[in-house]
Amino acid sequence: GAGVSQSPRYKVAKRGQDVALRCDPISGHVSLFWYQQALGQGPEFLTYFQNEAQLDKSGLPSDRFFAERPEGSVSTLKIQRTQQEDSAVYLCASSLGSGDQETQYFGPGTRLLVL
Amino acid sequence: AQSVAQPEDQVNVAEGNPLTVKCTYSVSGNPYLFWYVQYPNRGLQFLLKYITGDNLVKGSYGFEAEFNKSQTSFHLKKPSALVSDSALYFCAVRDWGTGGFKTIFGAGTRLFVKA
Repeated sequence: GAGVSQSPRYKVAKRGQDVALRCDPISGHVSLFWYQQALGQGPEFLTYFQNEAQLDKSGLPSDRFFAERPEGSVSTLKIQRTQQEDSAVYLCASSLGSGDQETQYFGPGTRLLVL
Repeated sequence: AQSVAQPEDQVNVAEGNPLTVKCTYSVSGNPYLFWYVQYPNRGLQFLLKYITGDNLVKGSYGFEAEFNKSQTSFHLKKPSALVSDSALYFCAVRDWGTGGFKTIFGAGTRLFVKA
C-alpha cells in the first residue's frame, strides 16, 4: 500500500522567502509528526497532530514555523522568512495511534536549502 | 526532560559475528522505546519497539533489543551480522508518563559490517 509521501522532495529558497512543505500520511493514520533532521544528526521533533488537533508544538524553533492539518489528513509545514539555519531535511511520519499503535512510518523527507 | 544517548558514532563488526548497538535513555515517567534504521538514500524504517510486557523485544530482520529499566538501556542486538545490515541506526524514546507526544531520537550509530 501507499506509504507516507512528501512534496517537494527538494526545495531551494532564497533567504527571506516563505516555503510550504506538504505531507500525505498513510490513510487512516490518526497521528502525524514533523521532524527536522540536520546533516549527521538524528531527527528533532517539531510538532504532533492527533487528527486535526495540534497537541504538541513544543519543538517548533520559532514563530516563523507553523504547521496545520485542517481536515485530519494532509499536513503542511510552513516556514516564513527562511534563514540559512533552516536548511535541513524535514521529515513527516504518521502512525495509527499511540501505545501499541505507535509505530511511526516516515516519508522520504523534503530537503530544504536556504541560500 | 527526556533524552537519548547513543555513545558510539560507529560500530564495526565482521559478517557472521554478533553485533550490539548501544542506547541509554532518561525519562521522568515511563518510556516507550524504539529502534529505527536508515539505509542510504532511503527513509527511516521501523525495526522494533518496547511498549510494555516482555523486556526482550524481537523485531525485523532478526534484530532484538532488551529493555533494562535499572540500567535505563535499550541495546540493539543481532546474533549474526550481515553485510546488508550496514546502515545508520537510531534509538528513540517517548515519555508517555508525562503526557507529552514528543519523540526524542539519538544522534545515530553507523554500523559497518565487513565481509
